[in-house]
Amino acid sequence: AQSVTQPDIHITVSEGASLELRCNYSYGATPYLFWYVQSPGQGLQLLLKYFSGDTLVQGIKGFEAEFKRSQSSFNLRKPSVHWSDAAEYFCAVGMNSGYSTLTFGKGTMLLVSP
Amino acid sequence: DAGVIQSPRHEVTEMGQEVTLRCKPISGHDSLFWYRQTMMRGLELLIYFNNNVPIDDSGMPEDRFSAKMPNASFSTLKIQPSEPRDSAVYFCASTAGQWTEAFFGQGTRLTVV
Repeated sequence: AQSVTQPDIHITVSEGASLELRCNYSYGATPYLFWYVQSPGQGLQLLLKYFSGDTLVQGIKGFEAEFKRSQSSFNLRKPSVHWSDAAEYFCAVGMNSGYSTLTFGKGTMLLVSP
Repeated sequence: DAGVIQSPRHEVTEMGQEVTLRCKPISGHDSLFWYRQTMMRGLELLIYFNNNVPIDDSGMPEDRFSAKMPNASFSTLKIQPSEPRDSAVYFCASTAGQWTEAFFGQGTRLTVV
């Protein structure tokens, strides 16, 4: 069965600084990979996804992620964090067969300091 | 489209009572998913439907949980009887075809006292 590990429960970044959120997955085949963001009291919003092709994918709000097969990783990055980026971020993996079911990591809470 | 609509947003109920959560997916979407979010277990898939048919309910924790999708525009998740450990945020999501973006509702925060 697939699994997702987000090793950082909380991360604090200064506004304007760069950000990298870590995600490692376990899956026997080439996975479908996703990053979602959840603001307090809200549902999840898709930031970006990787299915195949270019391993560096661009998403909304200036985010990008890089798929590294050798490291089983799909880390999320942003060059300059804004206060409005404070939220919880979830990495997810989907099987490349069957329906669009997702297995989520436990999430990383991003705090942005002035 | 107004997005995925869930009701109620908040529900507080006493242990032993029946609870029904409701979801209206985005019009035209053919798959619907129910997830549960807790601090301890994170986001877990409970059940999903394709074209109103339940495909996999292996994530449903117990027989106290049941879900239906009588038509393409409505689904319910029922807990009977409810227990305090069912307290969580329940999300509904829908997609238009395989591996298109999943759109999530705002969730129902359930508290069982």
